[in-house]
Amino acid sequence: NAGVMQNPRHLVRRRGQEARLRCSPMKGHSHVYWYRQLPEEGLKFMVYLQKENIIDESGMPKERFSAEFPKEGPSILRIQQVVRGDSAAYFCASSPRDGQSYEQYFGPGTRLTVT
Amino acid sequence: AQSVSQHNHHVILSEAASLELGCNYSYGGTVNLFWYVQYPGQHLQLLLKYFSGDPLVKGIKGFEAEFIKSKFSFNLRKPSVQWSDTAEYFCAVNSGAGSYQLTFGKGTKLSVIP
Repeated sequence: NAGVMQNPRHLVRRRGQEARLRCSPMKGHSHVYWYRQLPEEGLKFMVYLQKENIIDESGMPKERFSAEFPKEGPSILRIQQVVRGDSAAYFCASSPRDGQSYEQYFGPGTRLTVT
Repeated sequence: AQSVSQHNHHVILSEAASLELGCNYSYGGTVNLFWYVQYPGQHLQLLLKYFSGDPLVKGIKGFEAEFIKSKFSFNLRKPSVQWSDTAEYFCAVNSGAGSYQLTFGKGTKLSVIP
């Protein structure tokens, strides 16, 4: 059973460009979570999605960031007009049900560097 | 807002030494508790979890953790570490009360010297 897949693993963008990060959850998982890890910090929750629904985006910056989890295909985290402060590792996790009773399984992360 | 504190940023041990990594959280209600490990170049993996029941939880690779509610703590222990335990360890909390987001500590890097 393949784990959570993320791509790309490394992404370099210039200031002002768009970054698109993809996450394919584990087979049978319909809940996806995105976290961001800044240098020397722990992971910070960004958004929780189910298929075609954003359940909780309380951790998302108000501007430039968006996420989706379509009926078909991977979940996408999009960052428009990237700035240097967006440089971080972005982790996706999935669970078969909501995270209250089931642990979250993490992907390898995408390391975004903004130059 | 809840928070998680991991007391040690970097721990260096010799093989066969005993390990204890501290984790304290700030939420006063029902909690679910986790320890994740990230080996060099790999993704986060679950070491162990506590939802309810016996507060002494055993995980993979000989790790265990004890939930002490009165101290808001969930310390990770291993009686005898190996070089292969070199990794970064993260404590995480889920408040369990309609919340699914995990709150992570900043992590503790463990270096085991052969």
